[in-house]
Amino acid sequence: AQSVTQLDSQVPVFEEAPVELRCNYSSSVSVYLFWYVQYPNQGLQLLLKYLSGSTLVKGINGFEAEFNKSQTSFHLRKPSVHISDTAEYFCAVSSSNTGKLIFGQGTTLQVKP
Amino acid sequence: EPEVTQTPSHQVTQMGQEVILRCVPISNHLYFYWYRQILGQKVEFLVSFYNNEISEKSEIFDDQFSVERPDGSNFTLKIRSTKLEDSAMYFCASRLAGAHEQYFGPGTRLTVT
Repeated sequence: AQSVTQLDSQVPVFEEAPVELRCNYSSSVSVYLFWYVQYPNQGLQLLLKYLSGSTLVKGINGFEAEFNKSQTSFHLRKPSVHISDTAEYFCAVSSSNTGKLIFGQGTTLQVKP
Repeated sequence: EPEVTQTPSHQVTQMGQEVILRCVPISNHLYFYWYRQILGQKVEFLVSFYNNEISEKSEIFDDQFSVERPDGSNFTLKIRSTKLEDSAMYFCASRLAGAHEQYFGPGTRLTVT
């Protein structure tokens, strides 16, 4: 069975500081990995995805993530955050067999001025 | 930019009543999903739908739940007899054939009293 663990429930950070949101997954089959962002009172928006190829993937709003197969991780990073990045971030995995997404618990990014 | 839409944004119902949550997926997408998020918990997969039939469902998706694509644009989730524990945010998602990323609607907040 697949699972996703987001190690931090809340990450407070000051504006313009770098941030890393951690995600680890477990799966017995090949996976596709995603990060979604949920702004207050909105739906889930796709930030970036890893399907194959280069392990460093870039997404919208200056975010990037690195797929590490040996560590089964897919951590999300941004070199300099803005107040507007304050949101809930979800890591998700899907397998090639089902297409369904398995989500982590989410990490609340709180950017302080 | 095409997007998934959901109605209503908020539904309040009494325990034991039937509710229908509606979704309009992106027009050329062929795979459809429902997820739910109980307050404070992770987003959970409910059901996937392709070619007018359920392709996978979770343990949550019991006989009280059903899905339907009544016409070429709508995708509905019906809960026949709501329970207090059905209170959650329900998200609809869709994806293209051959793609892996899913696009989510803004959600319907269901409150069962």
